[in-house]
Amino acid sequence: GQNIDQPTEMTATEGAIVQINCTYQTSGFNGLFWYQQHAGEAPTFLSYNVLDGLEEKGRFSSFLSRSKGYSYLLLKELQMKDSASYLCAVNPTGGYNKLIFGAGTRLAVHP
Amino acid sequence: ETGVTQTPRHLVMGMTNKKSLKCEQHLGHNAMYWYKQSAKKPLELMFVYNFKEQTENNSVPSRFSPECPNSSHLFLHLHTLQPEDSALYLCASREGTRTNEKLFFGSGTQLSVL
Repeated sequence: GQNIDQPTEMTATEGAIVQINCTYQTSGFNGLFWYQQHAGEAPTFLSYNVLDGLEEKGRFSSFLSRSKGYSYLLLKELQMKDSASYLCAVNPTGGYNKLIFGAGTRLAVHP
Repeated sequence: ETGVTQTPRHLVMGMTNKKSLKCEQHLGHNAMYWYKQSAKKPLELMFVYNFKEQTENNSVPSRFSPECPNSSHLFLHLHTLQPEDSALYLCASREGTRTNEKLFFGSGTQLSVL
């Protein structure tokens, strides 16, 4: 079967760093996406990884290890507006139309 | 603003009603999607249209009927729904079929079936 696991909820303090993990077991791999979704709003694209390593984009970074079926999203200098759900999604082989999503991690940032 | 607009934002319907959800994208994309998002569950792909042709039907019950009259508009017609169909229904679009292309989502229709 195809499966993506990520923690259900996390809390962190404003100004701190938080790492949201995602592990996956899929029929092949053609890239991994991270999306951010604020309550009542559309999910929005954060990052895409297809090769091993770290991709940095401002305060957000995303890491991928294909051999371990593992990714993480790193958020630095947390702000209150970062309180949202973070969705991990994998593109399996030949499945450009069938992104497999995790259930999302709800992050709460406290003052 | 993602460029994908969904209406209505909220919908309450009885099990015998017929209603439709509407999605519109102004991005010039060629692929459009319907997803279902239930609380604490992963997004579930329902339907995919590429160049107005349905290319995926992910074993969705026939009480959900999609329609794509052109590449900018997508509808989801609902009839005789069940309470377990209550969820957030998200529309998304994508420029093409390359694996690194991201989805652009609408804000969704929050559906409650009584």
